[in-house]
Amino acid sequence: DAKTTQPTSMDCAEGRAANLPCNHSTISGNEYVYWYRQIHSQGPQYIIHGLKNNETNEMASLIITEDRKSSTLILPHATLRDTAVYYCIVRLLYNFNKFYFGSGTKLNVKP
Amino acid sequence: ETGVTQTPRHLVMGMTNKKSLKCEQHLGHNAMYWYKQSAKKPLELMFVYNFKEQTENNSVPSRFSPECPNSSHLFLHLHTLQPEDSALYLCASSQGTPRKGDTEAFFGQGTRLTVV
Repeated sequence: DAKTTQPTSMDCAEGRAANLPCNHSTISGNEYVYWYRQIHSQGPQYIIHGLKNNETNEMASLIITEDRKSSTLILPHATLRDTAVYYCIVRLLYNFNKFYFGSGTKLNVKP
Repeated sequence: ETGVTQTPRHLVMGMTNKKSLKCEQHLGHNAMYWYKQSAKKPLELMFVYNFKEQTENNSVPSRFSPECPNSSHLFLHLHTLQPEDSALYLCASSQGTPRKGDTEAFFGQGTRLTVV
């Protein structure tokens, strides 16, 4: 699976949009981009995933560049409860052996 | 509540003890995973089971012994652990066969293990 690179930490003001970037320049054509988050000492929570089109659900939006070498997770109105470590993972869709997590981005939402 | 339940939530054990961690899911998933998360480190994939068969063992020491009696239950048997094995142990499950719109992994809340 392709490796991902994320900033170590980011700050965001409460109520503003949080934009979390991820670089995956070695992604192959049949690999998907997944996002998870982990609130302190809890199990990771699935957020969203996509292949090449932008995706939106009730939690977030995922913007994937046309060359698929990077993506951005957008939390439209960040709240204090969104403070967490956000992980960007690239994997084959049904490759159940390959859910590998990197270091992620610690998002600090501040009042 | 994710549908994946881990017990116990906290465990303190001595280095000579034998204990087991339990994971249960009723999501109809066929793949189950054990992860280890040490302090300030990324999650480390330990074991993967698909349809009760172990399909991945990431060079985990033999003092950790997984067991998957059926697709809904996963155990991690622990014996003669070391203090450096203290960590958060997470279980996850996902669909093990292609099924549209159902590919993400669901995680339990984890077991916080302390080896003394």
